[in-house]
Amino acid sequence: DAKTTQPPSMDCAEGRAANLPCNHSTISGNEYVYWYRQIHSQGPQYIIHGLKNNETNEMASLIITEDRKSSTLILPHATLRDTAVYYCIVIWTNNLFFGTGTRLTVIP
Amino acid sequence: AAGVIQSPRHLIKEKRETATLKCYPIPRHDTVYWYQQGPGQDPQFLISFYEKMQSDKGSIPDRFSAQQFSDYHSELNMSSLELGDSALYFCASSLEGLAIDNEQFFGPGTRLTVL
Repeated sequence: DAKTTQPPSMDCAEGRAANLPCNHSTISGNEYVYWYRQIHSQGPQYIIHGLKNNETNEMASLIITEDRKSSTLILPHATLRDTAVYYCIVIWTNNLFFGTGTRLTVIP
Repeated sequence: AAGVIQSPRHLIKEKRETATLKCYPIPRHDTVYWYQQGPGQDPQFLISFYEKMQSDKGSIPDRFSAQQFSDYHSELNMSSLELGDSALYFCASSLEGLAIDNEQFFGPGTRLTVL
């Protein structure tokens, strides 16, 4: 599975959009980009995933660059409850290999 | 909606004892995954089962074993416990586990403390 690189931490003002970047320059053609988050020792929570196209659901948007070497998770209106560690995972199997993730802190 | 159930939620054991963690997947989910998260660490994949057969193996110690039963629940058996086994153990389930394009639903975890 391709390695991912994420900034260790980010802050975001409440109500503003949170843009979380992820680099995955060694991604191969059949690998998906998944995003999960973990809120303080709770079970990780699925957010969104994509292969090539941009995706949007009720939680977030996922923007994947045309060369697929990087992606951005967008939380359109961050709330305090979005404070969590966000993991970008690139996989071609079903098993999730978590990296270090980005600790997002939403500030009132 | 029904979620993944794990039991027990908390478990305290002594070194060299054994422990069994149980996971009940979301109804109709056919795939179960086990993850271990040590203090201050990120979750690490241990093992997965699809339709009662082991489908993949990660960093699971030889002292640990797991299985998935006919009702799709799974048990993680841990023997000769060591202090380093103290961690949160998460179970996740998914539907049609051999398909890549699906999401995993995680349980609340079992916190194991080895004294």
